[in-house]
Amino acid sequence: DAEITQSPRHKITETGRQVTLACHQTWNHNNMFWYRQDLGHGLRLIHYSYGVHDTNKGEVSDGYSVSRSNTEDLPLTLESAASSQTSVYFCASIDSGANTEAFFGQGTRLTVV
Amino acid sequence: DQQVKQNSPSLSVQEGRISILNCDYTNSMFDYFLWYKKYPAEGPTFLISISSIKDKNEDGRFTVFLNKSAKHLSLHIVPSQPGDSAVYFCAAGEYGGATNKLIFGTGTLLAVQP
Repeated sequence: DAEITQSPRHKITETGRQVTLACHQTWNHNNMFWYRQDLGHGLRLIHYSYGVHDTNKGEVSDGYSVSRSNTEDLPLTLESAASSQTSVYFCASIDSGANTEAFFGQGTRLTVV
Repeated sequence: DQQVKQNSPSLSVQEGRISILNCDYTNSMFDYFLWYKKYPAEGPTFLISISSIKDKNEDGRFTVFLNKSAKHLSLHIVPSQPGDSAVYFCAAGEYGGATNKLIFGTGTLLAVQP
């Protein structure tokens, strides 16, 4: 079965360190997304990609970057981790075409100390 | 600028009664709307959706209503069950054929009391 997986599931890092969260999907979807979930804010879009070598900023992109070298993977990098980036991060993918649903990974809980 | 809003952070209902979750949006270009359910320590899972050309979609105990003029949608769960207790996210989609994107609301925590 096709799926979308995130790793690691849990991560603790220190302020100022660079951190990369992995996202891998086997749906062969062109559209991939990173969201963060915070109490009172719901799911906020960080970055997204519509295909290989395409990346776009979402509403909360400061301090984050992504790269898309193939269809399956969209790693999210925190250039210099800050305590404000402590959150739960979700990766998602959507097929092309009309009226399709997004599939989510299990999430990565990141704590910046 | 929150394009998709869920104004009720939480909702508590008795088992067997109706649960009504509400969502408002501001962008008239949204053409597809979805509801997702999320349990703790899991990713959101798709529940039900509705196209902007419809005003109602039903799937078992779940019905979504869309009022385009008011830019409002709601999710009805009848009858509510304890297993429905979760966070529910409303999402609005910008579907460009090849390029699709979802904007999510802030979520509503539903607690169904036995």
